[in-house]
Amino acid sequence: SQTIHQWPATLVQPVGSPLSLECTVEGTSNPNLYWYRQAAGRGLQLLFYSVGIGQISSEVPQNLSASRPQDRQFILSSKKLLLSDSGFYLCAWSVLSLKTFFGQGTRLTVV
Amino acid sequence: DQQVKQNSPSLSVQEGRISILNCDYTNSMFDYFLWYKKYPAEGPTFLISISSIKDKNEDGRFTVFLNKSAKHLSLHIVPSQPGDSAVYFCAASGDGGGTSYGKLTFGQGTILTVHP
Repeated sequence: SQTIHQWPATLVQPVGSPLSLECTVEGTSNPNLYWYRQAAGRGLQLLFYSVGIGQISSEVPQNLSASRPQDRQFILSSKKLLLSDSGFYLCAWSVLSLKTFFGQGTRLTVV
Repeated sequence: DQQVKQNSPSLSVQEGRISILNCDYTNSMFDYFLWYKKYPAEGPTFLISISSIKDKNEDGRFTVFLNKSAKHLSLHIVPSQPGDSAVYFCAASGDGGGTSYGKLTFGQGTILTVHP
């Protein structure tokens, strides 16, 4: 069966520090991968998606970037965090663009 | 512009009764709809989905209804149980042609509380 791992579960970072969140998927090949963010009191917003290794599409302009160095690995990064980057970040995957499955999420607090 | 809207921030229901969660959308290109359940500090869990070629899909206690002309869908939970208490998100995708790559547009969520 397919599983998705996302870490860390919680993270507190100072303003201006770098960020690296990692996500890996097991049990499937060539998945579509996504990074979503849930800001306080709001729905989930798509940040990035990838349909293959090295292929990244950004949905909203922001202070973050994403990379896909391997087929089942997706990384969310920032060189310098802003207070507004605080939120709940979710990695997700889908195959054949149907049902999307989510990881457990990372609660990022920028202080 | 909010393309997917859940206009009820919260819903309170007695155990055993029906819970009806509503969702409206504006983008006529959406052709696949999903409902997710989410607990605090966890990722959303897929519940049920429906393609635009159908008007109803049922899975156990969960039924999703789609009214394309009204651009409205609803999730019915019968009977409701205290364990159903969570935030429910509806989401939409324009993947009928496979060109949207599974990107989902979410509503704001509805907090469901089922009282024993």
